[in-house]
Formats: sequence, structure tokens, C-alpha cells
Amino acid sequence: GESVGLHLPTLSVQEGDNSIINCAYSNSASDYFIWYKQESGKGPQFIIDIRSNMDKRQGQRVTVLLNKTVKHLSLQIAATQPGDSAVYFCAENIGNNDMRFGAGTRLTVKP
Amino acid sequence: DGGITQSPKYLFRKEGQNVTLSCEQNLNHDAMYWYRQDPGQGLRLIYYSQIVNDFQKGDIAEGYSVSREKKESFPLTVTSAQKNPTAFYLCASSIQGLGQPQHFGDGTRLSIL
Repeated sequence: GESVGLHLPTLSVQEGDNSIINCAYSNSASDYFIWYKQESGKGPQFIIDIRSNMDKRQGQRVTVLLNKTVKHLSLQIAATQPGDSAVYFCAENIGNNDMRFGAGTRLTVKP
Repeated sequence: DGGITQSPKYLFRKEGQNVTLSCEQNLNHDAMYWYRQDPGQGLRLIYYSQIVNDFQKGDIAEGYSVSREKKESFPLTVTSAQKNPTAFYLCASSIQGLGQPQHFGDGTRLSIL
């Protein structure tokens, strides 16, 4: 079946470097995507979203890129800080607000 | 501050017991959701409600029940029929309509005694 997935389960970066977290999706009908950040013992926190009619969207220190041709979504975090350490996962709307969630990538920021 | 409140944060269930997880939101959102999160897996939808007094089963509804008597409240009952209830349970809400982000509470961790 079609599902949301991630290329890497873990990512370790040096403080101050840029981080890139990837997500592959296979449902070509998905029209809306979200990135969430989840810290240990807490609920997911909305970071940024993008609709399928866009290929890039920027927020504060974060950028989401959408490549519909290869069904790929990425989250870029600029100047990564220790407080960015968390699990990041993507979600896709496959229709009628039916969201499908990836398992996540654990980002660790080394001081 | 507007948000979603889940309680309790930790819950223990004895065999054969039903337990109820609370979820309250003051965001004035019409839609509410319950998800189950297991290690290494994406969130799985248990139940959702798009409007008061109406709810639908998600992908893993067996062994769970919900009610939606008020817009701001969407409690989840884990019944004794749910044989593997140990998990992290997340409640979410969203504005009704296509392409709206879901906002989450901080979860309830349920364990078996």
C-alpha cells in the first residue's frame, strides 16, 4: 500500500550546521503536507506546512521543499541548535483530512 | 493560552478494566482525533469526530470507544477488549476543512499493571 516514509531514521549534526530531513511519499493524490517536531514525552508540535501547488515554503530557520516529480519532501533547518534535538516526522493529507504520518527521524545536535 | 489538554499524563490499567483518557480543547475546533503512537511507528488513527455527536472509526478502532457530547471534549475509553493497550495516546484537533493542520496535546502514556 501507499504510505509515508523517511529515508533516515537518525541524523546527527554539529551545532550551527544546517540539517536536512527527508521524507518520501507514494500517494500522488496527496495535496497537503506537514512537518512536526516531537520532543521526548510530549505531543507533536506543528513546524511548517506546504500545499501541493507550491514547491518551497520558508519559516523561521526552516524551509520545506516539495518535489512532486519524485514524491519527495524535505525539511531544512538552518543553524541547528541543541534545542532542535527531537524526532521530526512528516504527514500527508491523502484526502478528506485523512492524514498519514511517517515514523520519524531522530535529530541529535552535538555541541 | 488556547490549546489541547490531555489527562492524565500517565495511566495504569489492570487486566479487565476499562480506562478513560481525557482530551479538552479551547481552540474552538470542530474536528478532533485520537491517535496511538508505538515506538518506531507513525501515528495510527483510532477515532475521529468532525462535529458534535458524530464520530467515525479510524484504522485501529477495535477495543476503543469515544463520545463527543461537547465541542471541546473528546474522551477515549480503552476497553478490556483492547489486548495490547500499552502505548502513547495523542489527541488532536483541527479547523474543519481541507488542508488544515492538526494540533496535538501532550499525550497520555498508558501502561498495564
